Parts: sequence; C-alpha cells; structure tokens
Amino acid sequence: EAQVTQNPRYLITVTGKKLTVTCSQNMNHEYMSWYRQDPGLGLRQIYYSMNVEVTDKGDVPEGYKVSRKEKRNFPLILESPSPNQTSLYFCASGKGGFQETQYFGPGTRLLVL
Amino acid sequence: GQNIDQPTEMTATEGAIVQINCTYQTSGFNGLFWYQQHAGEAPTFLSYNVLDGLEEKGRFSSFLSRSKGYSYLLLKELQMKDSASYLCAVRDGRGRGSTLGRLYFGRGTQLTVWP
Repeated sequence: EAQVTQNPRYLITVTGKKLTVTCSQNMNHEYMSWYRQDPGLGLRQIYYSMNVEVTDKGDVPEGYKVSRKEKRNFPLILESPSPNQTSLYFCASGKGGFQETQYFGPGTRLLVL
Repeated sequence: GQNIDQPTEMTATEGAIVQINCTYQTSGFNGLFWYQQHAGEAPTFLSYNVLDGLEEKGRFSSFLSRSKGYSYLLLKELQMKDSASYLCAVRDGRGRGSTLGRLYFGRGTQLTVWP
C-alpha cells in the first residue's frame, strides 16, 4: 500500500531532550516536506527536500533540523525542544513535478513540557 | 512570502451548495491547491489550479483567477461527511532549482453540514 508513515504518532518529552521524528514513504517520491499545525495558525512549512541531499527552509525552520540521506526517509530533528514546539507535525511527499500534489502522513502529536 | 485569506467558519445544510473563497497575495505563484482535512486526520488532496478557470471533479469544483488573486472551492449536493476543514494552499516556485518550491497554507475554513 502506497503510504507515508511517521513515528512516533504521539510523544511527550521535556525541554532540551533531543528527539527525532521519522518519516518514510514507499512511493519513490523525490519531494518530501515537514509541516506543523497549530490552532488558529494553520499548516506552516518547516523544511522541504526536492531530492536526496537537497533541503530548503520553509516558513518556520528555527529549532529544527532535517536530513535527506536516502530517498525514502526524511527525519525531523529537534536538538533542544522547547514548549513552543508543542504541535501537530505532518510529513508529506510528492513526485516533485509541476502539477503534482503532496500525500500526507498521519501526523505526530508532540508535547514538550 | 504569501498572504492567504479564507473564512474561518461556514455552515450549510445537506443537499445544498457552498462556495469557500480564498484570496492570496504572492510574489511568485506556481499553482493553487485545495485540501480537505477531517478532525484528527491528515489533509487529503481535492483539486489543483494553475491556469484561470474552473476545474470540475465530481461534486467538487475549483476556480482560479490569477489576476485577482482569487480562488474558490464549490461543493455541491452537500453530505454530512463533507463536514471538515478546507485548506487553500499556494505554491511558490522560487525554491532552489525547483518548480515545486514552497507551499503556503491558509488557516483553513471549518465547514459544518447540518441535516
């Protein structure tokens, strides 16, 4: 089944404790992206990647890191999480073409205490 | 960046037609998407417009006017299951070496369909 998977789905952590949210897709998509969704603010793009070893900042990259060492995986790293990073995170992937849409993962709900 | 506006909430009754508007101000337009998002779920793709005009797909249609920075999503024969948030998103084609670039979302329109 074609899908985007994220792990973990739910995470409670404490300020300053490094964490990684994994994202994997099995559709051989070139494009992958991370978003956070907050009430009243909608979806905001954190980072995106057009292909392996190519990443670009989105709207709100501060406090986040990404890497794209292989096509199928695009992990999101929070080196020192803070409470303002409490949010719902979505990973998405797409073929990368002009008219191509994105397919979203199920989301990761993160709470930073 | 982009400035994307859509109404926060709308209500309608089953069987009716509803139009959700989206206006945008961009410095690099490369297409407009509509997504549907049910509570607690991921967004799913509904439609895509890059040229002016109407795109029809079953009960859903989407319209774009690039000169006016305006789009709408038209939902016909509303069903209870259409109660969801509808997200307008504009793609900016100025990313490094990419035609996909960045995607900017509006804050979403929460549609409630009453029986």
